[in-house]
Amino acid sequence: NAGVTQTPKFRVLKTGQSMTLLCAQDMNHEYMYWYRQDPGMGLRLIHYSVGEGTTAKGEVPDGYNVSKKKKQNFLLGLESAAPSQTSVYFCASSGQPTNEKLFFGSGTQLSVL
Amino acid sequence: GQQLNQSPQSMFIQEGEDVSMNCTSSSIFNTWLWYKQDPGEGPVLLIALYKAGELTSNGRLTAQFGTTRKDSFLNISASIPSDVGIYFCAGAWGGATNKLIFGTGTLLAVQP
Repeated sequence: NAGVTQTPKFRVLKTGQSMTLLCAQDMNHEYMYWYRQDPGMGLRLIHYSVGEGTTAKGEVPDGYNVSKKKKQNFLLGLESAAPSQTSVYFCASSGQPTNEKLFFGSGTQLSVL
Repeated sequence: GQQLNQSPQSMFIQEGEDVSMNCTSSSIFNTWLWYKQDPGEGPVLLIALYKAGELTSNGRLTAQFGTTRKDSFLNISASIPSDVGIYFCAGAWGGATNKLIFGTGTLLAVQP
């Protein structure tokens, strides 16, 4: 019962460093999403995918890139990390493009110093 | 970007008490969702609402889609320690998951 798996769980970066967050789902879902969660704010959508190789920008895409070469994986990249990107990142997937059945991973805590 | 305002921001209650929280928006939605986030985990869907005035229950949880379409309410009856977590509302207009707007969350602490 893996569901949505995110790696790593924790990471500390220095300003300017790059990294990739990995999300994998084993539910054969077509749609995947990356959110960030900040104190006092709701989850905000960074990028999402509507199918293999097809991605789109969400509400807060600046400073991030994504890659979806396989249906089950969705990568979130930070090319040059900034302190403003300190956050908890959640990946989610769904079997349909409509609301409700979002399955979330357990999150990645990222600190940028 | 647009946000949903949840109230209260946090609640500290005794086991057995009932809990009420709400979510308001400046925009009309046609879908309201309630999620719970356990410490160190991702959110999990509790209840989905699709119609103004709709009242839906999931065990001890009951949620309502406000008649103005701009608000929603969640009630938890007879709280237990495992109810601890952050409760998020989310709303959308048009049905697309990428248009889902999340609330700021209500932190619930339950003392045994």
